Amino acid sequence: KAGVTQTPRYLIKTRGQQVTLSCSPISGHRSVSWYQQTPGQGLQFLFEYFSETQRNKGNFPGRFSGRQFSNSRSEMNVSTLELGDSALYLCASSLRTGSGVNEKLFFGSGTQLSVL
Amino acid sequence: GQNIDQPTEMTATEGAIVQINCTYQTSGFNGLFWYQQHAGEAPTFLSYNVLDGLEEKGRFSSFLSRSKGYSYLLLKELQMKDSASYLCAVGYQKVTFGIGTKLQVIP
Repeated sequence: KAGVTQTPRYLIKTRGQQVTLSCSPISGHRSVSWYQQTPGQGLQFLFEYFSETQRNKGNFPGRFSGRQFSNSRSEMNVSTLELGDSALYLCASSLRTGSGVNEKLFFGSGTQLSVL
Repeated sequence: GQNIDQPTEMTATEGAIVQINCTYQTSGFNGLFWYQQHAGEAPTFLSYNVLDGLEEKGRFSSFLSRSKGYSYLLLKELQMKDSASYLCAVGYQKVTFGIGTKLQVIP
């Protein structure tokens, strides 16, 4: 079974631009979560999608948005990029259902975003 | 809110035993996870505790005390390949991670 796939692997942008990152979950997984990882802050939760609906959201500004498609693939978008957005963006999928019980997360390799 | 604390760095000797502690204060609790992350790689699942007690899986064990908001990950017979960051995470409405403990195994 294929793992979680994230594209692109690396991205370089300049301040003010916007970026879209893509995530394909493991087949059968309907929950997709996004995290931002930086050396000083660790993994910070961005949002979780389940069956095309945003179920939870972290404490990030509205410049960070996401969506999920009917095939469970997900995208996240960051608009008006700032230098501080430079980070590794990780996507994770799980078998989590609507029951609310957390299932283990399977992470993709991430997208390393550098904002210049 | 969620607050998860763990040491930022630890060093241990090959062949030894190391215990990585994690304390948490969270508004809810569905279980505690441990993940391993090698430098430049994605985190991978190690263990999950939802009830109090010790869960053993090969060289790795994880302990949970819900009343104390405390968990630890025990690594036995350390190998050089165990050098990595170990992330403690609490599940509730979402999975919240601690900052991670960077473990260096030395010969």
